[in-house]
Formats: sequence, C-alpha cells, structure tokens
Amino acid sequence: TQLLEQSPQFLSIQEGENLTVYCNSSSVFSSLQWYRQEPGEGPVLLVTVVTGGEVKKLKRLTFQFGDARKDSSLHITAAQPGDTGLYLCAGSGSDMKTSYDKVIFGPGTSLSVIP
Amino acid sequence: EAQVTQNPRYLITVTGKKLTVTCSQNMNHEYMSWYRQDPGLGLRQIYYSMNVEVTDKGDVPEGYKVSRKEKRNFPLILESPSPNQTSLYFCASSLTGNSGNTIYFGEGSWLTVV
Repeated sequence: TQLLEQSPQFLSIQEGENLTVYCNSSSVFSSLQWYRQEPGEGPVLLVTVVTGGEVKKLKRLTFQFGDARKDSSLHITAAQPGDTGLYLCAGSGSDMKTSYDKVIFGPGTSLSVIP
Repeated sequence: EAQVTQNPRYLITVTGKKLTVTCSQNMNHEYMSWYRQDPGLGLRQIYYSMNVEVTDKGDVPEGYKVSRKEKRNFPLILESPSPNQTSLYFCASSLTGNSGNTIYFGEGSWLTVV
C-alpha cells in the first residue's frame, strides 16, 4: 500500500517568516502534485513535478521533487496571511490492478500565517 | 469557467434515509471521482469513474454507490446513511486517469448523519 506522510501537521508562523513542509513516502511516484485548500473550498492545484530532482518556483513558493521520486518539499519565502491554508501533496504512480495511475493524497499540513 | 459543481453543500440527515449528492463538471473530463475528507485521515477515494458507464471502487467504498450515465454527471448515493458517514465530501474530475493530470475539485458537501 502506498502511503504519503506530511510534516509538520500544523504550522503557525508570523508574517514574513520562511517555512518548509515535507512530503515523504517509501514508494516511487511517476509524478507528485501540491494542492492548497482554503477553508470552505476544495483543493486547488499549485504545481506538478515529474522528474527526480526537479525544482519549480511559483512566485514565493519553491517546490522540489526528490532525486528518487519518493519525497518532495515546499518552501515558502516571506509568508503572507494569504498563504494560510491546508497544503496537500498527492503522488501518482502506476497501480498494477487498474488501468489508471492511482493518486494518493497525504494528510496535509495546516499552515496559519499570523499578520 | 471550468467548474465542478456539487449539491447540496450542507446537509443534515437521519440514519437510514437515502440521499444523493449530485456532481457535475463542464470540462468534458473523462475521469471523475468522489473523496471524503476526515481530520487526520486526509482525502480518501470512495469511487471513481474512467468514463461513461465505467465505475470502480476506491479505498473506502462501503455504504456508497455511484453511477455514470452521462459524461458530465457523477452522483454519489448513500442508500442507508449511518453516523460514520458524517464527513466532508468532494467530487473531482480530471481529463483522464493518467499520472500528472490536474484534478479539479468541487467546493465540498458537508454531510452530517444523526
């Protein structure tokens, strides 16, 4: 069974601070995605990474896919209150029992940025 | 505007009273799925559909049914709801079931079974 773990589970920081959240698994994934979910809404895709070692930047957010494609990190520089939300990583890889690439979601990191 | 629309958004019902949560997408996506989100457990897949008339069980299908008669609609049916089905439910769609496709989520349906 593929499992994704995320750490920390909760994070509360002051505006302007930097932070990193982690997504780890013992399984290899074909691709890994990060989603952000705001209260009362569904998750929204931030980024997809597919190559081991890949780094993608989205304004103040930097995403990295591990060399072995088993883990990923999300770094936020100078966090702002608008970054508050639940950050979910989702790994996708071939499932031999189905004809599609099953997506596994991590439990999420709840981030609160205090003004 | 690309959308996944689910209804109702909020529902309180009693044990055993059948209910249906509707889901519709306007992106002509082949793949649709239902998730439930519970504290500490994250998003767990209930059922998914690769295309019209093709559905299969996810990780937590017990107590749920689905149908995919049309490409755009994927209703979730609880034939006899029980309190352990109290949860936040999300309908989602993507172009196909292949790795790396963007998953579009609805806004969620809060269901309470008393």
